[in-house]
Amino acid sequence: DGGITQSPKYLFRKEGQNVTLSCEQNLNHDAMYWYRQDPGQGLRLIYYSQIVNDFQKGDIAEGYSVSREKKESFPLTVTSAQKNPTAFYLCASSILGSHNEQFFGPGTRLTVL
Amino acid sequence: GQQVMQIPQYQHVQEGEDFTTYCNSSTTLSNIQWYKQRPGGHPVFLIQLVKSGEVKKQKRLTFQFGEAKKNSSLHITATQTTDVGTYFCAAPNMDSNYQLIWGAGTKLIIKP
Repeated sequence: DGGITQSPKYLFRKEGQNVTLSCEQNLNHDAMYWYRQDPGQGLRLIYYSQIVNDFQKGDIAEGYSVSREKKESFPLTVTSAQKNPTAFYLCASSILGSHNEQFFGPGTRLTVL
Repeated sequence: GQQVMQIPQYQHVQEGEDFTTYCNSSTTLSNIQWYKQRPGGHPVFLIQLVKSGEVKKQKRLTFQFGEAKKNSSLHITATQTTDVGTYFCAAPNMDSNYQLIWGAGTKLIIKP
């Protein structure tokens, strides 16, 4: 089955620790995205990538980092510099171009204790 | 910056009643997309509207794109429990070919 996988579904970390969230897609999409969703709110773009080895900051990139070494993979690291990291993180992919629909993974719910 | 305003934030309905959510932009949109997110789930694409005045239907769901391409609506007739979730609109960022600007979403709640 084609799709996007994110792991783990739930993640708990102590304050001050970096944590990396996984995102893998087998849809052969060039574009990949990371969003953050807080309770009762919409989606805010953290980073996006249009091609391997290239990525751009979104609206709330501070305290986060990404890499795009393979087309299929776009991991997100939540660093200790992120002041309020507890949130629901969603990864998405699409064919290049914002007019194309985005396909989302199941999300990772990160709780920092 | 570019924004897409979506209202209302919540709508409580009795099962069988209708539901409507609205999205508005101050700028002309090239297209608008609608997504549904079930509780605890992830957004799932519903439809894309491109043409001025376009109306599309999916069973009990009716999607409209305004004549000026600055507003859009989603109307659900005779809501069912399976309709529960949050509905988002999203439109391309004029400054970037690869970003979507998302509305804040409207949560559909069925009264017990």
